[in-house]
Amino acid sequence: TQLLEQSPQFLSIQEGENLTVYCNSSSVFSSLQWYRQEPGEGPVLLVTVVTGGEVKKLKRLTFQFGDARKDSSLHITAAQPGDTGLYLCAGGTSGTYKYIFGTGTRLKVLA
Amino acid sequence: GAGVSQSPSNKVTEKGKDVELRCDPISGHTALYWYRQSLGQGLEFLIYFQGNSAPDKSGLPSDRFSAERTGGSVSTLTIQRTQQEDSAVYLCASSSPGQGPPLHFGNGTRLTVT
Repeated sequence: TQLLEQSPQFLSIQEGENLTVYCNSSSVFSSLQWYRQEPGEGPVLLVTVVTGGEVKKLKRLTFQFGDARKDSSLHITAAQPGDTGLYLCAGGTSGTYKYIFGTGTRLKVLA
Repeated sequence: GAGVSQSPSNKVTEKGKDVELRCDPISGHTALYWYRQSLGQGLEFLIYFQGNSAPDKSGLPSDRFSAERTGGSVSTLTIQRTQQEDSAVYLCASSSPGQGPPLHFGNGTRLTVT
């Protein structure tokens, strides 16, 4: 059974601090997505990474896919209160349509 | 350009009653997923529809759960004889014909079984 473990589970930081969220698995994925979910809404895609070692930047967010395509990280620089939300990673396997979602990291950025 | 629409947004029901949750995907999206999310945690896969193919029901937790998709568009998730452990947010997502990401999610139905 494929599992995606995220850490930390909860994170509360002050505005302006940096943070990293991790998404780890023992399985290899052909693609990995990061989503952010706000209360009362569905998850919204932030980024998709498909190549081992790939790094993508989205403003203050940096996403990395591990060389072995088993893990990923999300780094936020100078966090803002608007970054508050539930961050979910999701792994996809080539040839299938199932996306395995991680356990989630709930981030709260205090002003 | 409407997104994925789910109704109702909230549903409170008594234990033992049946409930129906509706999902209206983005027009032209042939893939449709149902996920369950408990207590703001990760998403649990329930069922997948793709075009006219037989659905993948492997994630349905029991035979009290069923889903159908009529005309390749609207989908209904039915839970019979609801139990308290069924309380969760039920999320529907659709994706484009290429089947790749992203998944476009609705805002979910929050089900509370009392």
